[in-house]
Amino acid sequence: SAVISQKPSRDICQRGTSLTIQCQVDSQVTMMFWYRQQPGQSLTLIATANQGSEATYESGFVIDKFPISRPNLTFSTLTVSNMSPEDSSIYLCSVNEDRADTEAFFGQGTRLTVV
Amino acid sequence: KQEVTQIPAALSVPEGENLVLNCSFTDSAIYNLQWFRQDPGKGLTSLLLIQSSQREQTSGRLNASLDKSSGRSTLYIAASQPGDSATYLCAVRPDRDDKIIFGKGTRLHILP
Repeated sequence: SAVISQKPSRDICQRGTSLTIQCQVDSQVTMMFWYRQQPGQSLTLIATANQGSEATYESGFVIDKFPISRPNLTFSTLTVSNMSPEDSSIYLCSVNEDRADTEAFFGQGTRLTVV
Repeated sequence: KQEVTQIPAALSVPEGENLVLNCSFTDSAIYNLQWFRQDPGKGLTSLLLIQSSQREQTSGRLNASLDKSSGRSTLYIAASQPGDSATYLCAVRPDRDDKIIFGKGTRLHILP
């Protein structure tokens, strides 16, 4: 199993500012993922963070708004840029391996409120 | 396009009852299916993983079944307790894909 530390656990931010969320894994993993969970909704994948290459974004998400870094196999950051109240959500990082018998693991989440 | 549906959206039952949460998916070509628990404002805790070749998995009072051909999974919770109150999420990983697709969850409330 993988243990994921995500920081910060929560933050209240002013509109127009940016917040960087960090995700640290206790082992080397190939794939890391960033999700958003809007209030009362399920999880939506933002992007896949690839080590050594640019992140792969899902439809509706762009790099300028959600820049991602993946400097090594144990760490990734997601920045929420130029925030608006609509960005208020829980943001979660996840790791997964390319094996059917391996669970996906999630960080504790970052609860973001934009005022 | 794979879609995951969970029924019911919310459920309240008295403590001690056995209950079943349902999950259905539209494309049977899946790598695995996973059940998660989420407490309010928190991250996800993995409960059970069922590989596509498996029929069920058990952990304590939890049992998850998978019928891949019909696109269904159930999570059975025996002898429910107030501490089981949470949102339960079903997620599938399609074949030849890294991504996981989530249902909207079932909000479970166990009444003391």
